[in-house]
Amino acid sequence: EIVMTQSPDSLTVSLGERATINCKSSQIIYHGFNNRNYLTWYQQRPGRPPKLLISWASTRESGVPDRFSGSGSGTDFTLTISSVQSEDVAVYYCHQYYTSLQTFGQGTKLEIK
Amino acid sequence: EVQLVESGGALVQPGGSLRLSCAASGFSFSTSYMHWVRQVPGKGLVWISRLDGDDSNINYADAVKGRFTISRDNAKNTLYLQMESLRVEDTAVYYCAKGGPTGSQLGGILDHWGQGTLVTVSS
Repeated sequence: EIVMTQSPDSLTVSLGERATINCKSSQIIYHGFNNRNYLTWYQQRPGRPPKLLISWASTRESGVPDRFSGSGSGTDFTLTISSVQSEDVAVYYCHQYYTSLQTFGQGTKLEIK
Repeated sequence: EVQLVESGGALVQPGGSLRLSCAASGFSFSTSYMHWVRQVPGKGLVWISRLDGDDSNINYADAVKGRFTISRDNAKNTLYLQMESLRVEDTAVYYCAKGGPTGSQLGGILDHWGQGTLVTVSS
């Protein structure tokens, strides 16, 4: 099983500040045949189901604000929110789909200062 | 519009059984991967199972393998999760989620989620 480890567990930022969430996989989740990293990011607002933000480590889903961006390759990945808004209060999860036994990170809780 | 509506959650005793359903609409159900993910209230997401459009590829997390069975009825656009030998630690909200097309590299991407159904295992 691929273990996904996020850091930090929680993050408090002021409105308009940058937020950075890291995700590390226990093995490489990059396929050379299609040059893709098999990693998604999800946002889960309080009381709501998760929502897909980013797939393939860096491809933003339609309708997701461009302040959200994903980067990284191999085993190390980052979700960046360039200017945090009040509606971004949520728990963020990374997730690998490289193997048929898919796994999530433990989540990072984002709060506003 | 993609819609996923789970049902079947209940209070059940340890050792009991339960079947969850997920009614799907707004997309080509029969050609899509479907997944189950669970979440203990206040805790993180845990992927537990998936199957492709024609049931030729089925996978389970170790925690539920041998006790849970995922299945689908493409004529009814419905996904199921049969849960046997339930344990207290199976208590969670269970979400169904839509994956990408069968046979593609997109199958593992959970692009739409239902609202979830609560399963409580307690004596």
